[in-house]
Amino acid sequence: GAGVSQTPSNKVTEKGKYVELRCDPISGHTALYWYRQSLGQGPEFLIYFQGTGAADDSGLPNDRFFAVRPEGSVSTLKIQRTERGDSAVYLCASSLEGGRYEQYFGPGTRLTVT
Amino acid sequence: DAKTTQPPSMDCAEGRAANLPCNHSTISGNEYVYWYRQIHSQGPQYIIHGLKNNETNEMASLIITEDRKSSTLILPHATLRDTAVYYCIVRVYGVGNEKLTFGTGTRLTIIP
Repeated sequence: GAGVSQTPSNKVTEKGKYVELRCDPISGHTALYWYRQSLGQGPEFLIYFQGTGAADDSGLPNDRFFAVRPEGSVSTLKIQRTERGDSAVYLCASSLEGGRYEQYFGPGTRLTVT
Repeated sequence: DAKTTQPPSMDCAEGRAANLPCNHSTISGNEYVYWYRQIHSQGPQYIIHGLKNNETNEMASLIITEDRKSSTLILPHATLRDTAVYYCIVRVYGVGNEKLTFGTGTRLTIIP
C-alpha cells in the first residue's frame, strides 16, 4: 500500500518568508508526527497528533512553528518568518495509533532558507 | 526516556553478520528497546523492538542482556543495501509517550 508522502520534496525560501509543508499519512493511521533533522544529527521530535488534536507539541522550537490536522488525515506544518537556522529535513511519520505501534516515516521535505 | 550509547561507526563485510551494540544502562522496567535505521536520503525505517526476551523478524534479531542494560541488533547476512545509520531508542511502552528520541546512531557500512 501507499506509504507516507510529503510535499514538496525540496523547498528553497528566503529568510523572513512563510512556508507550508504537507504530509499525507498512511490511510487509517490516527497518529501523526513531525520531526526535524539537521545535518549529521538524528531526527528531533516536533509535534504529535492523535486524530485532529495536537496531543504533544512540546518539541516545537518557538511560536513561529505551527501545525494543523483539521480532518484527522493530512497535516500541514507551517513556519512563519523563516530563519536560516530553520534549514533542515522535515520528516513526517504516522502510526496506527499512538503508544507502542511503530512509526512509518515519509521521505522528508528538505527546507533551505537563504 | 533512558539515554542510549552507540558506536559512531562500524564496517561489516557483505554476507557476514552485522552486530550493532547499544548500551542503555539506565533503562527502566517499562521501557522497550526499539531499533530504526535510516538509509541515505530516506526517512527512518522501523526494524524491531523488544522488552526483555530476544526477538526475531524477517529483517533482524534483537538480543537483550538479562539485566537489560545493553542490547545487540543482528543483521544475519548483511547486504550492500543494509548500509545505513542505525538508531537504538529506549521508549516507554504505551499511550502518553509517543515520541521517539533519536541519538546520533551508528553508521554501518557494508563492504563488498
